[in-house]
Formats: sequence, C-alpha cells, structure tokens
Amino acid sequence: SQKIEQNSEALNIQEGKTATLTCNYTNYSPAYLQWYRQDPGRGPVFLLLIRENEKEKRKERLKVTFDTTLKQSLFHITASQPADSATYLCALDHQAGTALIFGKGTTLSVSS
Amino acid sequence: DAGVIQSPRHEVTEMGQEVTLRCKPISGHDYLFWYRQTMMRGLELLIYFNNNVPIDDSGMPEDRFSAKMPNASFSTLKIQPSEPRDSAVYFCASSFGPDRGLFFGSGTQLSVL
Repeated sequence: SQKIEQNSEALNIQEGKTATLTCNYTNYSPAYLQWYRQDPGRGPVFLLLIRENEKEKRKERLKVTFDTTLKQSLFHITASQPADSATYLCALDHQAGTALIFGKGTTLSVSS
Repeated sequence: DAGVIQSPRHEVTEMGQEVTLRCKPISGHDYLFWYRQTMMRGLELLIYFNNNVPIDDSGMPEDRFSAKMPNASFSTLKIQPSEPRDSAVYFCASSFGPDRGLFFGSGTQLSVL
C-alpha cells in the first residue's frame, strides 16, 4: 500500500542545534516533494519544493535533500531557534502533476 | 492580496443539518484544493479543481459531500446531512499548480454534535 511516514511525531532539541526531520514514502514515484510548516490553529505554510532530479535545496537556514533510491527526504533546520517550533509536514504528488498527499507531520520543539 | 479566505472560521451544528463551507482563492491561482485535517488521519485531500473544473474527487468520503466552483474566485464544500464523524478542520488551498506550492487558508473548524 502507499504510505508517507515522517520519522517521529515529536522532536525536541536545544536552541542552536540542527534539527533533522525525515520523510519516507512507499509505493509512490513523486516528481517532486514539498515541505510545509504548520502552527497551531493555522493552515500549513509552504517552505520548499525539491524535484526528483535535484539532490539538495537550500533556503536560508533550511536544507532539503531528496533521495529517490532510498525513497526519502531529509529536512534540516540549522541554528534552530524557539521560533522554529511548529509541526512540519512533507507532501508529494500522488501521480505526476496531480494534487499533493501529505504526511502526518513531525512536531518540533526547540528549547532555549 | 489577502491570501486564501475561508468562512466561517468555526461552525457548530447538529447531526443531520446541512453545512456549507466557503473559500475565496488567491486571485490568479487556477488550482483550488479542499483538504480535511484530523488528528487520526492527518491532512486528507478531498477534491481539487483546475480552472473551475473538478479534476479529482476520489477523496470525497461519500455522497453526502459535494463541492462546486462556479467561478474563479469562489468555491463551496457542502455536507448534507452532516454526521459527528465529519468533525474536523477543513482547509481550502490555492496555487498556480501543485508543483508550485500551495497557499492555505486558515481553515474552518467544524463540530457536528
């Protein structure tokens, strides 16, 4: 069956450390993978998109990798801050060019 | 642009009643998506439109759910009759395309008693 799994429901780290979140998928062949941030009571906010032919993408303190052999994406936040505390969702296209299917998310807590 | 606008923000209704959720997408976006979020199931795609035409409604749970997009600036999701298991947060999102990032509204928190 098709599955999108994010490594853990919760991740707790100290301020200044690098947070690494994992997204694994099964029985999908995505053309791209996206990461979103969701704060309590709000809708998800788009952060980054990485395509199947890209290995890595960066945006400020964020870095995403995409390994289509391992069927895995890693999402890194360097020099994490308490303001980075939120739930992070990965999403991929169900079939090429179609709507996104989302993982259940990982809740990141950064303590000062 | 004000972003994707959803109304109402909260809806409490009794089982059997009709519920209508509304969405105004970002001007210029030609894709519109309806998602439902619960703790158990996460974000689930219900239906999406391209240029006001429904493309995939396979996520609509059953015939009690219907969605329309009469023009480029308005969409509705209707549940008739509503049931307690429909209780969830319903999100509308719009985009230039699913490979361009989705812009979500603030959601409608639906409670069916």
